[in-house]
Amino acid sequence: DAGITQSPRYKITETGRQVTLMCHQTWSHSYMFWYRQDLGHGLRLIYYSAAADITDKGEVPDGYVVSRSKTENFPLTLESATRSQTSVYFCASMGRAYEQYFGPGTRLTVT
Amino acid sequence: AQTVTQSQPEMSVQEAETVTLSCTYDTSESDYYLFWYKQPPSRQMILVIRQEAYKQQNATENRFSVNFQKAAKSFSLKISDSQLGDAAMYFCAYNFRNQFYFGTGTSLTVIP
Repeated sequence: DAGITQSPRYKITETGRQVTLMCHQTWSHSYMFWYRQDLGHGLRLIYYSAAADITDKGEVPDGYVVSRSKTENFPLTLESATRSQTSVYFCASMGRAYEQYFGPGTRLTVT
Repeated sequence: AQTVTQSQPEMSVQEAETVTLSCTYDTSESDYYLFWYKQPPSRQMILVIRQEAYKQQNATENRFSVNFQKAAKSFSLKISDSQLGDAAMYFCAYNFRNQFYFGTGTSLTVIP
């Protein structure tokens, strides 16, 4: 299906474990983004990527790692999960009119 | 740093009535983009409307329109003929140089 997908949709992990959230888009958009959504904070940018092999930090990058070897994929890794990283994570890509298209989100719980 | 402020955490409107959601932003730039996104209970973020800062004309998409006041750095969303399906969180967003900043959202309730 065309669009932007995220997997898994729900994840429970333990403190200290590594976890990777996947994001895949079929539009060949150059720009992709990772956000976290927490109550009272709206969406906050974690990392973004302008193209394959080009990534940059956003507002809240600490504790996260990204890579982008292919245009269509933009995985987000929590190297050692902490309870403060419990959140809903959204991946997005940007279209030609500078609008963002969002994936369905991943709800991550760190116990 | 760019900031986006939505001062109304919650709003309600009677079905078929009109409601306006407020958004202000802080920037020293002159060319940027503004957006309103809707997030229903399904959690999916849906683009409602966009506005280029260099355009003076206010954007309109069916029942949704904006009041863009560049000098005041204000970008409000008007929803006309409100429908039950409009109930959602609404986020205002600012984009400059491909970085987006979001407000904290306004929860809209539509009363039948």
